[in-house]
Amino acid sequence: NAGVTQTPKFQVLKTGQSMTLQCAQDMNHEYMSWYRQDPGMGLRLIHYSVGAGITDQGEVPNGYNVSRSTTEDFPLRLLSAAPSQTSVYFCASSLDGVSYEQYFGPGTRLTVT
Amino acid sequence: KQEVTQIPAALSVPEGENLVLNCSFTDSAIYNLQWFRQDPGKGLTSLLLIQSSQREQTSGRLNASLDKSSGRSTLYIAASQPGDSATYLCAWGGSNTGKLIFGQGTTLQVKP
Repeated sequence: NAGVTQTPKFQVLKTGQSMTLQCAQDMNHEYMSWYRQDPGMGLRLIHYSVGAGITDQGEVPNGYNVSRSTTEDFPLRLLSAAPSQTSVYFCASSLDGVSYEQYFGPGTRLTVT
Repeated sequence: KQEVTQIPAALSVPEGENLVLNCSFTDSAIYNLQWFRQDPGKGLTSLLLIQSSQREQTSGRLNASLDKSSGRSTLYIAASQPGDSATYLCAWGGSNTGKLIFGQGTTLQVKP
C-alpha cells in the first residue's frame, strides 16, 4: 500500500490564483480530512469527509472547497489564494472515526506571495 | 471551545532517561485520544490511540494513559534514544467523525 499520498510537495502561488491540492489513499478508508499546520497555531481542521459524497466544514474552512466523489480521493481547492493561506497542508485518513488510527500524508508546503 | 494543551513545549534529556509528556484537554466528552510523532519536514505518524473506554495503551517502549475525569493523558517513553528526538503531538477526538483537535506539541531532544 502507498498509504496517503499528496501532490504537489511544494507550490508557490500568486495572490488570487486558484489551485487544487491532491490527496489519495489506497487503504479503502471512509474517513478523510484536511489540516493546515502553522507555527504557533498547531494543526487545524479545514474540511472532513465520512464517506464518498459526504463532506463537512472544520475549524477553518473559509477560502477552501472540497468534494469526495470516490472513496480514494479527497482534493482540496483554493478558490482565490491569499497570503494567509501560506501553510503546510496535511491530508489524513482512517478506517473509522473512533477505533482506528489516522494516517497522514507527507504534506504540501504552500507559499502565497 | 475545546482546548488541548501540551506541557512542556520542549524537553532535552540524556540518552537512557525515562520521560513523561503531558497532554490536557478541557472537554471530557471524548471518543479517543491519539498520540503522534512528527519529524522535521515530515507528516505525522500515529503512535498510540486510546479509546474512551480504555485507560492505557502500550507499544514497545511507549505507554499512553488516559484519565477522562481529570482531562489528562500522558505519554511515557522508557529508555529514551537519540532516534526518539522529534515533536510529539496529542490529539483529542470528540466525535465519531474522525475530527481531531491537536495540542501544540512537545519537541523532544535526546542527547547521546
